[in-house]
Amino acid sequence: YALTQPLSVSVALGQTARITCEGNNIGSKNVYWCRQRPGQAPVLFMYREINRPSGDPERFSGSKSGNTATLTITRAQAGDEADYYCHVWDSSTVVFGGGTKVTVL
Amino acid sequence: VQLVESGGGVVQPGRSLNLSCAASGFTFSRSGMHWVRQAPGKGLEWVAVISHDGNEKFYGDSVKGRITISRDNSKNTLFLEMNSLRSDDTAVYYCARDLWDPPDYIPESWGQGTLVTVSA
Repeated sequence: YALTQPLSVSVALGQTARITCEGNNIGSKNVYWCRQRPGQAPVLFMYREINRPSGDPERFSGSKSGNTATLTITRAQAGDEADYYCHVWDSSTVVFGGGTKVTVL
Repeated sequence: VQLVESGGGVVQPGRSLNLSCAASGFTFSRSGMHWVRQAPGKGLEWVAVISHDGNEKFYGDSVKGRITISRDNSKNTLFLEMNSLRSDDTAVYYCARDLWDPPDYIPESWGQGTLVTVSA
């Protein structure tokens, strides 16, 4: 099983960014997202597409349908610059997407 | 939750290396645990997971047969035994606590990682 993400996404400050994650019938799976800021360890911040651990801003939302899952970042801030990884549990393994680097202009 | 990895360093190809992860701040014996690695400048690659009691273990395809995950609940410690190391095993190795979202195993809280460099 493979997950495909765009290498990079650029978004203007205060605007909306969307990061896609494509995988065969991903709409039938639980999709998770983690974020890794430069020089730091990853942090899980979105699970089952819609839930967020307490304390995370509500500017982040997830959706999925068919072969695509999407992470949406609204009102983008400079602190949102990071690498974002989608991942799923499939056939007794964790499968990560290749990661998307988000740049806030 | 605090996870502190150790045991990384420079090792020659073909040799072995053992990593440890000391856990604190949560009930270790009730948590599944993962190892995930990241080659320099690359993305995340899942390595292995072990259930809370050690009875279930799953491995990524690229390491299967060369790597063994284990744990000592009496010492709140997770281990990763790596054999027949290759240059493409060079990476930062992270341990992570499992989210506990059955039936999925998903890394939730991550340590800061330990660097393994495989080089002659």
